[in-house]
Amino acid sequence: ETGVTQSPTHLIKTRGQQVTLRCSSQSGHNTVSWYQQALGQGPQFIFQYYREEENGRGNFPPRFSGLQFPNYSSELNVNALELDDSALYLCASSWGGGAPVSGELFFGEGSRLTVL
Amino acid sequence: LAKTTQPISMDSYEGQEVNITCSHNNIATNDYITWYQQFPSQGPRFIIQGYKTKVTNEVASLFIPADRKSSTLSLPRVSLSDTAVYYCLVGDPHLEGSSNTGKLIFGQGTTLQVKP
Repeated sequence: ETGVTQSPTHLIKTRGQQVTLRCSSQSGHNTVSWYQQALGQGPQFIFQYYREEENGRGNFPPRFSGLQFPNYSSELNVNALELDDSALYLCASSWGGGAPVSGELFFGEGSRLTVL
Repeated sequence: LAKTTQPISMDSYEGQEVNITCSHNNIATNDYITWYQQFPSQGPRFIIQGYKTKVTNEVASLFIPADRKSSTLSLPRVSLSDTAVYYCLVGDPHLEGSSNTGKLIFGQGTTLQVKP
């Protein structure tokens, strides 16, 4: 069984730049959600993609955007980076759809973004 | 999604049983209670999920009283490797017709420190 993989694992950007983070979902999963985790805090929900469409969004500005591809992999894009965007970005996959599921999310190891 | 309250931190010693209690006074009828574990610089990992009474798996037990306004995660005979942050989450993972399984609200969690 292939787990959730994220890339890159670490990266450093400067204020105003743009960043793209990538996520490959676990085999058989069609839903990807993204979380931001600042140091010492719990993960905060950014948005979720289901069937290649955004399906729910947390309290994040429009400069946080995403994509989901036909193979269910996903990208998180952040424009006009700010210092406060420094965090661990987590991707999680799950199976969504008509049938009841356990609700278990499978998280990747995360991408550590540092904005200078 | 219902808000949860749990202790910020707990200490224990190897071999002891650890019980972490979570309050969720506003839990809805369709909500399940889920616990995740997170090690530093890793994504959260699903531990256990339940709706009422008691659930047990190879890792932990989850006790839920009849009013469901709280729950207790029980870790038997902890070891040093159980040192981690434990998150209690409440929500409905079973929304048919659309995917809602990725929208979890994490609090600050409970940092468990296991000492030798």
